[in-house]
Amino acid sequence: DAKTTQPNSMESNEEEPVHLPCNHSTISGTDYIHWYRQLPSQGPEYVIHGLTSNVNNRMASLAIAEDRKSSTLILHRATLRDAAVYYCIEANAGGTSYGKLTFGQGTILTVHP
Amino acid sequence: DAGITQSPRHKVTETGTPVTLRCHQTENHRYMYWYRQDPGHGLRLIHYSYGVKDTDKGEVSDGYSVSRSKTEDFLLTLESATSSQTSVYFCAIRARGQGTNYGYTFGSGTRLTVV
Repeated sequence: DAKTTQPNSMESNEEEPVHLPCNHSTISGTDYIHWYRQLPSQGPEYVIHGLTSNVNNRMASLAIAEDRKSSTLILHRATLRDAAVYYCIEANAGGTSYGKLTFGQGTILTVHP
Repeated sequence: DAGITQSPRHKVTETGTPVTLRCHQTENHRYMYWYRQDPGHGLRLIHYSYGVKDTDKGEVSDGYSVSRSKTEDFLLTLESATSSQTSVYFCAIRARGQGTNYGYTFGSGTRLTVV
């Protein structure tokens, strides 16, 4: 079973910021938080990941709560091309988990023009 | 996406026939994974590999086998295809960045229909 909890769907308007929440209350100290998105008829695409500190890249920002029990993916200016299913996943670096990812249902993001 | 390709992209096969899907990477990554995606289930792990000839089962491995005889290729075989194996299959590789950071790259998928 997925270990993260996300809202089923969210909506946004184009060019507005979007904050996608994720709860991971049982995350271990060595698990990273990964975000992927999946556009229609495509494979999942890496967005961003982090461990403890907030992270930024060209696609998005990741804000991680101080207790690491939740995180928020931030799209600073949504575009129509950002409409996708967004997955928040705990990912262990290795050991017995071999880095396997467990996907939940994700959040369906709809962006309105 | 550069570095990982799946073949075929689409396939229709008959119940009871064997089917092999191929995942090929040019990144020399150690870890490779096969997932299937069905409506209402998200992506579920079928099998994974942590090196040449090193593979293990995921959560939905029944009816599937895998082989990895060289780093770049990870093959998924349906020994005797059934209609319940109609799905979209994704391969993934685990990259490695700075320190212990890493991200995963997914292939474009293979849409398999068993009739």
